[in-house]
Amino acid sequence: GQQVMQIPQYQHVQEGEDFTTYCNSSTTLSNIQWYKQRPGGHPVFLIQLVKSGEVKKQKRLTFQFGEAKKNSSLHITATQTTDVGTYFCARETSGSRLTFGEGTQLTVNP
Amino acid sequence: DTGVSQNPRHKITKRGQNVTFRCDPISEHNRLYWYRQTLGQGPEFLTYFQNEAQLEKSRLLSDRFSAERPKGSFSTLEIQRTEQGDSAMYLCASSLVWGPTNEKLFFGSGTQLSVL
Repeated sequence: GQQVMQIPQYQHVQEGEDFTTYCNSSTTLSNIQWYKQRPGGHPVFLIQLVKSGEVKKQKRLTFQFGEAKKNSSLHITATQTTDVGTYFCARETSGSRLTFGEGTQLTVNP
Repeated sequence: DTGVSQNPRHKITKRGQNVTFRCDPISEHNRLYWYRQTLGQGPEFLTYFQNEAQLEKSRLLSDRFSAERPKGSFSTLEIQRTEQGDSAMYLCASSLVWGPTNEKLFFGSGTQLSVL
């Protein structure tokens, strides 16, 4: 009940193609955070979504929070090799700690 | 340096030995978290502190694991009688929290533990 499921687990794209990863929960989320982890690196915060139906953009990245606050997505337009890494969503669980999904590992072929 | 600092970066130990890791959070941050990450998995919550108080510890965490944050600044994570299954990246993160909503976590580079 406190987990978030991410799909797909892996995604391989050609540079210039779009990419989307999805984060799903069986229970309502108070908020959702997204992090990016480059190969060999540590997770880096990207964004937090709080409101139902919220959409936020960061350059080529578009983040959405579902109307029912049970799912979220991250869409990257025209991927670049710098987008390579694993993208995690994270939900707040009891005690205010963050529980991370398993992540979507993105590889971009130049 | 205003980031989260972790030492050592790598630790190789023999099974049965004790190890201790250190984390120095961003100075004004009141929350400090320990996570563990294995290859291909997301970070797994271990424990967290609000100032010097340890507020939550994962139910999955063995009694061999203990963490301290004695003065509300740096923290240590000790693993006693290490096992091969303890091999993982141990990540520390900090955040500044004023209200009930979680703020973003700033992660350190982690300590990679290998138990032989």
